Amino acid sequence: GENVEQHPSTLSVQEGDSAVIKCTYSDSASNYFPWYKQELGKRPQLIIDIRSNVGEKKDQRIAVTLNKTAKHFSLHITETQPEDSAVYFCAASRTSGTYKYIFGTGTRLKVLA
Amino acid sequence: DVKVTQSSRYLVKRTGEKVFLECVQDMDHENMFWYRQDPGLGLRLIYFSYDVKMKEKGDIPEGYSVSREKKERFSLILESASTNQTSMYLCASSLYRGPGRNTEAFFGQGTRLTVV
Repeated sequence: GENVEQHPSTLSVQEGDSAVIKCTYSDSASNYFPWYKQELGKRPQLIIDIRSNVGEKKDQRIAVTLNKTAKHFSLHITETQPEDSAVYFCAASRTSGTYKYIFGTGTRLKVLA
Repeated sequence: DVKVTQSSRYLVKRTGEKVFLECVQDMDHENMFWYRQDPGLGLRLIYFSYDVKMKEKGDIPEGYSVSREKKERFSLILESASTNQTSMYLCASSLYRGPGRNTEAFFGQGTRLTVV
């Protein structure tokens, strides 16, 4: 069945450094790739998403890149801050047929002050 | 603001009990989902629904059923609770805008279920 692999499972960076989280998906029919941030004790919330007709998307310190050929997409956070500490989930979804979201296993990011 | 509300934040149930987890969304979303969140396993899809009375199995449907009698409400049912169903359960909803136009999923606050 469909599967999304996410790496690393934990990531520690110094404040101000960059963080990169990588995901690989198996369903070649996927064309929508959202990223969610879940702070401790809170619900996951969308931080950025990308569709398959775009290779890169940026929103301030956050960017996502997509390589459809390799079925690979990544989240890049620059100039990390302590408030970026959270669990990040990638997901993949089709844009026709069923619209379920398949999530990765999550990355716990710690930004050290 | 979209609101997805789950009926309980914490629940403690006994093995063998029938358990109902309720989820309500107020934005007229067509799609609704139930996920289970466990450390190291991420968010695993249990069931989803794309319309009233319609449902599809996700990756881990065993031991669960769902009900969607009204568009705004999606219920998860544990027919006979077992200790391995102790987990955080997250409901989500999303708007259907047509083919090729996925939208983000909005999550509820989660229900932490403990089965003893």
